[in-house]
Amino acid sequence: QKEVEQNSGPLSVPEGAIASLNCTYSDRGSQSFFWYRQYSGKSPELIMFIYSNGDKEDGRFTAQLNKASQYVSLLIRDSQPSDSATYLCAVNESGNTGKLIFGQGTTLQVKP
Amino acid sequence: KAGVTQTPRYLIKTRGQQVTLSCSPISGHRSVSWYQQTPGQGLQFLFEYFSETQRNKGNFPGRFSGRQFSNSRSEMNVSTLELGDSALYLCASSLEGGTLMDFGPGTRLTVL
Repeated sequence: QKEVEQNSGPLSVPEGAIASLNCTYSDRGSQSFFWYRQYSGKSPELIMFIYSNGDKEDGRFTAQLNKASQYVSLLIRDSQPSDSATYLCAVNESGNTGKLIFGQGTTLQVKP
Repeated sequence: KAGVTQTPRYLIKTRGQQVTLSCSPISGHRSVSWYQQTPGQGLQFLFEYFSETQRNKGNFPGRFSGRQFSNSRSEMNVSTLELGDSALYLCASSLEGGTLMDFGPGTRLTVL
């Protein structure tokens, strides 16, 4: 059973701090890694994707990938109350680019 | 660009009935994937269609089926509904499948 593991949280950070969200995956053949944000009652929204080892930055978001450790993380700098949501890590199943395996999500709370 | 649309947004059915959900992908997107989201199981992959062919299938019983039309619109059908089928059903589209998916708003199905 291929799995994606996330700490369910909630992760609580003060406004302006860095939020660090982590994810591990079991499928060594996975090549594509995604972070989705889901507000309560809404559908997931893609915020970051990463395919290669290392860091990828986009605005206040940085995705980090370490394939050897099977670890993906998302850093949110200068966290805002509007960042409060559930963050879903998703990984493609090896050999099946059309299938994503999702973690259970980490709930982030940013307190003013 | 217009996003992924799903109809209906809400459905209430009783056990034993069947239901058909519809998804219209973003214009130009040829891959449509379906996911089931529940509080206990999170997001789980149902199936993916590309150019009217089912390309991937998740671990759901045969009561769950789908199809894709020549205009890339997709439908999924659930027959003989069970209480456990109550969930948010999400459709996602992408250009070629597996990467950079956009989710629709979902159909909230309640089975009584």
